[in-house]
Amino acid sequence: SQKIEQNSEALNIQEGKTATLTCNYTNYSPAYLQWYRQDPGRGPVFLLLIRENEKEKRKERLKVTFDTTLKQSLFHITASQPADSATYLCAGRGDDKIIFGKGTRLHILP
Amino acid sequence: DGGITQSPKYLFRKEGQNVTLSCEQNLNHDAMYWYRQDPGQGLRLIYYSQIVNDFQKGDIAEGYSVSREKKESFPLTVTSAQKNPTAFYLCASTVTSGGINEQYFGPGTRLTVT
Repeated sequence: SQKIEQNSEALNIQEGKTATLTCNYTNYSPAYLQWYRQDPGRGPVFLLLIRENEKEKRKERLKVTFDTTLKQSLFHITASQPADSATYLCAGRGDDKIIFGKGTRLHILP
Repeated sequence: DGGITQSPKYLFRKEGQNVTLSCEQNLNHDAMYWYRQDPGQGLRLIYYSQIVNDFQKGDIAEGYSVSREKKESFPLTVTSAQKNPTAFYLCASTVTSGGINEQYFGPGTRLTVT
């Protein structure tokens, strides 16, 4: 079945460093991948989208890459801040719906 | 302000009772979705509707029902047949542009059934 997999372990990063989150997809080739941020008890918020023919996309301190050979997307937050602490969800377009990964909890330590 | 509203934010029910969760959007989006989120499980699709008066089952539709009588409304009923209804429920709508679907989520309803 079509899957989006993210590291379910929480990621602890020191403030000011770059946080890198990984998203892998299996059994299909999504035309695009999306990244969402979710704070506790709230709905996810769309952050970035990258198409399969794009290598890299940037938005302020955020950078996303798409590697079709590795079947992977990397999500980077540079100059991380404690306010970046949240769960980050990766999603890819499936046959008739968007498939979400389970998310990675990111903690930025002051 | 445009957006998706879900009400109530917290809902408590006794086992054996049906309960309906509200979802309204004023974004003029055609497609709407219901997800369930449990700790460590990620988002699981319950039902979705791509157009008024039409809807499809998602991955975990058993014990749930929906209706889509108006474009802006997509209520979800959690029936007594749902074995483990306590969860965080998220409603979303989608705008499609250039083949890209971007999902807008509501704030969620946390349902507790005892």
